[in-house]
Amino acid sequence: GENVEQHPSTLSVQEGDSAVIKCTYSDSASNYFPWYKQELGKRPQLIIDIRSNVGEKKDQRIAVTLNKTAKHFSLHITETQPEDSAVYFCAAPKRGNMLTFGGGTRLMVKP
Amino acid sequence: DTAVSQTPKYLVTQMGNDKSIKCEQNLGHDTMYWYKQDSKKFLKIMFSYNNKELIINETVPNRFSPKSPDKAHLNLHINSLELGDSAVYFCASSQESLNEQYFGPGTRLTVT
Repeated sequence: GENVEQHPSTLSVQEGDSAVIKCTYSDSASNYFPWYKQELGKRPQLIIDIRSNVGEKKDQRIAVTLNKTAKHFSLHITETQPEDSAVYFCAAPKRGNMLTFGGGTRLMVKP
Repeated sequence: DTAVSQTPKYLVTQMGNDKSIKCEQNLGHDTMYWYKQDSKKFLKIMFSYNNKELIINETVPNRFSPKSPDKAHLNLHINSLELGDSAVYFCASSQESLNEQYFGPGTRLTVT
């Protein structure tokens, strides 16, 4: 089965700084890597995803990079804002169409 | 208007009881899921279901069973509730697998 390790578990940055969250996975056949954001008391929501045929994807201040050889992928948030404060989850497929989620990273952006 | 809805939002019950959580999606998606999020915020897949196949995470006790009356609904039945079942349960759906999943608002289950 797929194991997904996520680091760090907590991350505190100053507003305007960048934040990077890293995940590693174990199944070399995995081909889909989403990132979800969960605000306090809310549901998880997809913010960006990447498939194994590309190495990087950007959407405004958010980017994801994928290194298939090393089996890790990272979320990059630039120019962080207080509203970026949330728990972020990476995920990778398990048994075809089920996602295994990382342990989560609590990001705190200090104004 | 809500894409994925769950009822109830809160559920408090005693050990040993049997309870159900309902989930409905109006997105026309063909795959639905149930997740458990514990107090440490770990999000764990329990089931994946489309009209062809039910996939069960091997760690899920057989006291938990999903039931789908139609393509838009996937309800979660839990028998003989235990203290450790206390968590937030999220339903989700997607169009085919390995695509964006839309989560419901969650059901906070408390077993006393």
